[in-house]
Amino acid sequence: AQSVTQPDIHITVSEGASLELRCNYSYGATPYLFWYVQSPGQGLQLLLKYFSGDTLVQGIKGFEAEFKRSQSSFNLRKPSVHWSDAAEYFCAVGYNDMRFGAGTRLTVKP
Amino acid sequence: KAGVTQTPRYLIKTRGQQVTLSCSPISGHRSVSWYQQTPGQGLQFLFEYFSETQRNKGNFPGRFSGRQFSNSRSEMNVSTLELGDSALYLCASSSLSSAGSYNEQFFGPGTRLTVL
Repeated sequence: AQSVTQPDIHITVSEGASLELRCNYSYGATPYLFWYVQSPGQGLQLLLKYFSGDTLVQGIKGFEAEFKRSQSSFNLRKPSVHWSDAAEYFCAVGYNDMRFGAGTRLTVKP
Repeated sequence: KAGVTQTPRYLIKTRGQQVTLSCSPISGHRSVSWYQQTPGQGLQFLFEYFSETQRNKGNFPGRFSGRQFSNSRSEMNVSTLELGDSALYLCASSSLSSAGSYNEQFFGPGTRLTVL
């Protein structure tokens, strides 16, 4: 069955530390891949997207993601986390429809 | 370019009532999708409209319905409200141009529905 999995429900990192949020998908073909961020009480904002081409994608706010076909993964990374990055992050897959992972809540320690 | 707007932002209803939520997509976007977001179930897809036609539908009961107008504005309706319908309802628009090709979705701020 088609699915999007974010294995980590909650992650805590210290400000200035690096971050990696995991996303795995299960689809027959390579779908379109997205990462969104949601601040409390707000809608979702697109961080970055992958359609084809270079497997390392740069996004807004210093985020990047790497598509690995062999692992069916699209992990989100940031070299140095800022306190303002605390939010919920959603991986999404667009194929015949759009499906979102369950989200990973990021807490940033001062 | 104005973003996706949703009205109202907050709504309080009682069980058994019905509610209509409205969404205005980004100008030029023909695809509008609706999602329900709750702490327990996360973000769940309700339905998607493209050029006034429902293209996809999630796994929700028939009490949840929607429509899209010729100007791409969309409404969703929930009849016979239940306590479990309390949620943040998000609308997203996309410049989807043909079936099967998915561009990124742009989300509105959501409508917070509370059912008492």
